[in-house]
Amino acid sequence: DAGITQSPRYKITETGRQVTLMCHQTWSHSYMFWYRQDLGHGLRLIYYSAAADITDKGEVPDGYVVSRSKTENFPLTLESATRSQTSVYFCASSESGLSYGYTFGSGTRLTVV
Amino acid sequence: AQKITQTQPGMFVQEKEAVTLDCTYDTSDQSYGLFWYKQPSSGEMIFLIYQGSYDEQNATEGRYSLNFQKARKSANLVISASQLGDSAMYFCAIRIPTTGNQFYFGTGTSLTVIP
Repeated sequence: DAGITQSPRYKITETGRQVTLMCHQTWSHSYMFWYRQDLGHGLRLIYYSAAADITDKGEVPDGYVVSRSKTENFPLTLESATRSQTSVYFCASSESGLSYGYTFGSGTRLTVV
Repeated sequence: AQKITQTQPGMFVQEKEAVTLDCTYDTSDQSYGLFWYKQPSSGEMIFLIYQGSYDEQNATEGRYSLNFQKARKSANLVISASQLGDSAMYFCAIRIPTTGNQFYFGTGTSLTVIP
């Protein structure tokens, strides 16, 4: 199916564990993004990528690692999960260009206990 | 600094009435795009409407229109003839090409439509 897929939809993990959230898109969009959504903060950018092998930090990158070896995949790894990383994580993709909006994945609800 | 401000955490509107959700932005760039997204309780993010900084006409998409006042740096969303299904969170966002094409989002407005 065409679109952008995030997995898992729900995840519970323990403090200190490494966890990877997956994001896969089928449109070959050049840009991909990871946001976290927390009440009162809206959506905050964690990392983004303009193309394969090109990534850059967003507003809240600490504690997260990304990679993009293929255009269609953009995994987000929490190296050592903390309770403050409990959040809803959205992956998005887009073409470059002013009028192109984001296409969002369905989100991953992560709980760190 | 790039910034979006949504000053209304929560709004109520009577069914079939119109409602305006406020959004102001702060950027020194001349070229940018403004977007509104809807997030229902199911959690997905749904694109509603787009306005380019050089567009002279206000954007419209069905019951949605964007009241764009460039000098005031405001991009308010107007929903006409509200429906119960419009109850959701609404996010305003700005896209600025010179900052890596990322979007900056506001904190959102929760809209409740009352029957």
